[in-house]
Amino acid sequence: ETGVTQTPRHLVMGMTNKKSLKCEQHLGHNAMYWYKQSAKKPLELMFVYSLEERVENNSVPSRFSPECPNSSHLFLHLHTLQPEDSALYLCASSQDPGSNEQFFGPGTRLTVL
Amino acid sequence: AQKITQTQPGMFVQEKEAVTLDCTYDTSDPSYGLFWYKQPSSGEMIFLIYQGSYDQQNATEGRYSLNFQKARKSANLVISASQLGDSAMYFCAMREGYQTGANNLFFGTGTRLTVIP
Repeated sequence: ETGVTQTPRHLVMGMTNKKSLKCEQHLGHNAMYWYKQSAKKPLELMFVYSLEERVENNSVPSRFSPECPNSSHLFLHLHTLQPEDSALYLCASSQDPGSNEQFFGPGTRLTVL
Repeated sequence: AQKITQTQPGMFVQEKEAVTLDCTYDTSDPSYGLFWYKQPSSGEMIFLIYQGSYDQQNATEGRYSLNFQKARKSANLVISASQLGDSAMYFCAMREGYQTGANNLFFGTGTRLTVIP
């Protein structure tokens, strides 16, 4: 079983929809992350969770709402998104927030119409 | 200012040859870490190699080596004996500081490497 899984792999939604992205890690890690990868832009860190507590929020709009119910699961709830939010959303985990290596999931390709 | 700069949007290399992917960084923090990740078409980011700012020797991991030139603030990735499976996007990244909880990785825009048979 792969270390970090993400569902769905692809998502198309309208601007008024509410959807959630799910990430699950099977590595026993304590830290989880959400990243946004837009075309021709550097990967952007959105949120960091350590032991289910949010430790970093990089000025992300409130239409993105993360949730970490336990150390293995991370959600990104989406509401009233804009077309410019279309991107690849990557989840990652690491042993601890300061660990050198982050393990990434395959991402969810999101298209907002 | 951009913290990580990758000036090569695309690179081509003949199979079995070596290739160097460029990366320069900008930081005033004396403690930092440099990373390279590979992103195949499937989407996931795969960690390749890490170099700490205080490491005396260049990092090596199999066919990957990091040419760390601290004074020039460069951290180029060298892939030796290229294989067709090396075709992918390659991202350079940096983390500043070693504070607990400080794990903000700054990524470059990436270089698309194509290995030619």
